[in-house]
Amino acid sequence: EVQLVQSGAEVKKPGESLRISCKGSGYSFTSYWIAWVRQMPGKGLECMGIIYPGDSDTRYSPSFQGQVTISADKSISAAYLQWSSLKASDTAMYYCARGLIGDRRGVFDVWGQGTMVTVSS
Amino acid sequence: ETVLTQSPGTLSLSPGEGATLSCRASQRISSSYLAWYQQKPGQAPRLLIYGASSRATGIPDRFSGSGSGTDFTLTISRLEPEDFAVYYCQQYGTSPPYTFGQGTKLEIK
Repeated sequence: EVQLVQSGAEVKKPGESLRISCKGSGYSFTSYWIAWVRQMPGKGLECMGIIYPGDSDTRYSPSFQGQVTISADKSISAAYLQWSSLKASDTAMYYCARGLIGDRRGVFDVWGQGTMVTVSS
Repeated sequence: ETVLTQSPGTLSLSPGEGATLSCRASQRISSSYLAWYQQKPGQAPRLLIYGASSRATGIPDRFSGSGSGTDFTLTISRLEPEDFAVYYCQQYGTSPPYTFGQGTKLEIK
């Protein structure tokens, strides 16, 4: 079974750092792009960026460039989303998702269960 | 950046009825790079349609997509109780930003 399993919910204080993870299984992890998608409470979906685990080629949406870091470790089939200094406005559900092949890499056919990040003093 | 505007914001219908959801882009979407997702409360989104009209694996044929250029439509022919959810359109190209519409909530009347 193809699946993406994300790390658990996090509660952090403003200014703290954080890395959340997404582990793929049931398919060739290095052959598909992985996206990170933000959903703020009660709001819609925003694609933050994508990474190709095969060579770590990473593309960010302009709104998120410089705000987060996306990385991957192909040896353990994991992708990561990282913050160096969290803000209260980073409070959201974060999903990882698998992109289809080729020019359909922006189509997300398999999703993780989501990681809720709460940033509060 | 392409802005997607979905209408209506909320659609109230009864099971068995048909639903038509609209997605309009601020600029032409090339090669019909338009997808539709369904999201139920507390769940991750689910891919329904890509390439404007291709159904994803396992999606019932009561879901269909159409359109090109700047105007796209998701049609659900006969609503089942499990179809009541929020629906998002999304445009994609070779690189981000892959923008989503703001969503249409399909609720039971």
